[in-house]
Amino acid sequence: DVKVTQSSRYLVKRTGEKVFLECVQDMDHENMFWYRQDPGLGLRLIYFSYDVKMKEKGDIPEGYSVSREKKERFSLILESASTNQTSMYLCASSLDAGNYGYTFGSGTRLTVV
Amino acid sequence: QQQVKQSPQSLIVQKGGISIINCAYENTAFDYFPWYQQFPGKGPALLIAIRPDVSEKKEGRFTISFNKSAKQFSLHIMDSQPGDSATYFCAAVNFNKFYFGSGTKLNVKP
Repeated sequence: DVKVTQSSRYLVKRTGEKVFLECVQDMDHENMFWYRQDPGLGLRLIYFSYDVKMKEKGDIPEGYSVSREKKERFSLILESASTNQTSMYLCASSLDAGNYGYTFGSGTRLTVV
Repeated sequence: QQQVKQSPQSLIVQKGGISIINCAYENTAFDYFPWYQQFPGKGPALLIAIRPDVSEKKEGRFTISFNKSAKQFSLHIMDSQPGDSATYFCAAVNFNKFYFGSGTKLNVKP
């Protein structure tokens, strides 16, 4: 089974801090995704990547950036954390563009105070 | 604008009953419709999925009904069990872009 590992389960950060959320997958998947999950809003796509050093904006990229230096690792960066970025962040990966089988990590609950 | 509308937001069902969750979409280019199940503290996990060339898919107690003309699809959980209590998300997919519904919190009472 594919494993998608998110480095932190819970994080508490201060407003204005630069925050790094890390995601690693172990099955050589091409595609990786970052979502945030908020009650009543479902999952919203922040950024995704189809290949190393490649990234594309999702539906809500403002205030975020990403980095994919290695195929297995996809990092989400909050340049200057704000309280409205308090949320559950989910990383996902899939094999390739024609394969719609998503595997999600367990999530990182980020609180910005 | 939400691409996929999901209802109800929450659902309480007695053990042994049928749970029904509905989703509707507008974009006819969607070509894959998965359902995800999420337990507290866990990421969503794929439960069952359907492509628009079939009207129904069944896996155990879980069935997707798909109505292409109405642009609606639904998840039916037969003989619902307390272990089915979770949040369920529908999604519609095009070119590997997923659009998720807002989720339904299902509580199955013993």
